[in-house]
Amino acid sequence: AQSVTQLDSHVSVSEGTPVLLRCNYSSSYSPSLFWYVQHPNKGLQLLLKYTSAATLVKGINGFEAEFKKSETSFHLTKPSAHMSDAAEYFCVVTLRMDTGRRALTFGSGTRLQVQP
Amino acid sequence: DAGVIQSPRHEVTEMGQEVTLRCKPISGHDYLFWYRQTMMRGLELLIYFNNNVPIDDSGMPEDRFSAKMPNASFSTLKIQPSEPRDSAVYFCASSSLAGGGSYEQYFGPGTRLTVT
Repeated sequence: AQSVTQLDSHVSVSEGTPVLLRCNYSSSYSPSLFWYVQHPNKGLQLLLKYTSAATLVKGINGFEAEFKKSETSFHLTKPSAHMSDAAEYFCVVTLRMDTGRRALTFGSGTRLQVQP
Repeated sequence: DAGVIQSPRHEVTEMGQEVTLRCKPISGHDYLFWYRQTMMRGLELLIYFNNNVPIDDSGMPEDRFSAKMPNASFSTLKIQPSEPRDSAVYFCASSSLAGGGSYEQYFGPGTRLTVT
């Protein structure tokens, strides 16, 4: 079985300060991991992905995430928050079970607020 | 590419009516997913297709829901009869493993369904 846990439902930071959104997963297999962002009344947009290459993954808009197998974590970070980063962020784990079958698990989401 | 296209963007209907949501995936993608998002339940995977064949429909809430993919460029999600508790945003997403793809999904803008 696999699961993904986003440890914080809400995170509030001041503009210009670092962002940390936490994600832990459990999986019996080597997973692919993703972070998606959803701005209000919009669809989900892919921020970045990990697929067993480099463990430090850089995404769009200055975000990055580090895959730590020993800690089963894939936390999302950004050195300096911008007002436009205010959105909901989803951590997703996906892996291929059998031919044609895939298991997809979304985290419950973390709402990021950025204070001026 | 135009991305994943969904129609309509908004749908308001009365309880008991049939509702059909439409999706056009990104050309060349061989996976198509339907999701439902509500405040209470978050993002739920309803069903997904691979090469137009339904692979996993375990997330479809009940027999009132049905989904089809008659060809590689079109899918529908139908609710008949609709109920107020079906009110949600329905997302379609597509992906491809071709060329070493890594399972990331591309989401459409969603259809906001309101059943009164």
